Amino acid sequence: DAGVIQSPRHEVTEMGQEVTLRCKPISGHNSLFWYRQTMMRGLELLIYFNNNVPIDDSGMPEDRFSAKMPNASFSTLKIQPSEPRDSAVYFCASSLGGGMNTEAFFGQGTRLTVV
Amino acid sequence: GEDVEQSLFLSVREGDSSVINCTYTDSSSTYLYWYKQEPGAGLQLLTYIFSNMDMKQDQRLTVLLNKKDKHLSLRIADTQTGDSAIYFCAERATSGTYKYIFGTGTRLKVLA
Repeated sequence: DAGVIQSPRHEVTEMGQEVTLRCKPISGHNSLFWYRQTMMRGLELLIYFNNNVPIDDSGMPEDRFSAKMPNASFSTLKIQPSEPRDSAVYFCASSLGGGMNTEAFFGQGTRLTVV
Repeated sequence: GEDVEQSLFLSVREGDSSVINCTYTDSSSTYLYWYKQEPGAGLQLLTYIFSNMDMKQDQRLTVLLNKKDKHLSLRIADTQTGDSAIYFCAERATSGTYKYIFGTGTRLKVLA
């Protein structure tokens, strides 16, 4: 397996534009996580899906952020409209769910810059 | 609520041991992880420990868990320049939502 695949790797956009980040989890994994990493806040969990259903979205900053998982092999994180304070590295991770010890596998991240 | 805390920076000389500390708040049965992030890359799992264990050793890495104080540490023996990275502590409950909660990360700098 190629691991968790995120696209694009880098995104530069103007304030007010819509941004869509994409993630393909590892085949067979049923849990998917979106994290945001900044120098000030570290690694924040934005939303967590299990079996394509959002379980916990308490970390989503505000209504400008939305995430979907239409099937087991694809998820998107959308920001509309984008603002400069959204600039960060966004990571997607996947794992096998449940109570067993399972590793979360991370993608390479999308570095978003909003100017 | 869940919270995981780490010191932000650590600097050591090559060949010395590094000790990175972490405290967590979830008192339920849990798995605790150490991840490493190199510049421009995602996080990669280094090692993990279950909350019913006190210690785990894996080559140069030693994890110590003080469950009473909810304190976790990662010791890297014979630290090398290639160990320079950000190290994240994370906890994950074995019931409930199963989400991973990460600390802020400790930036380790190894001086030659």
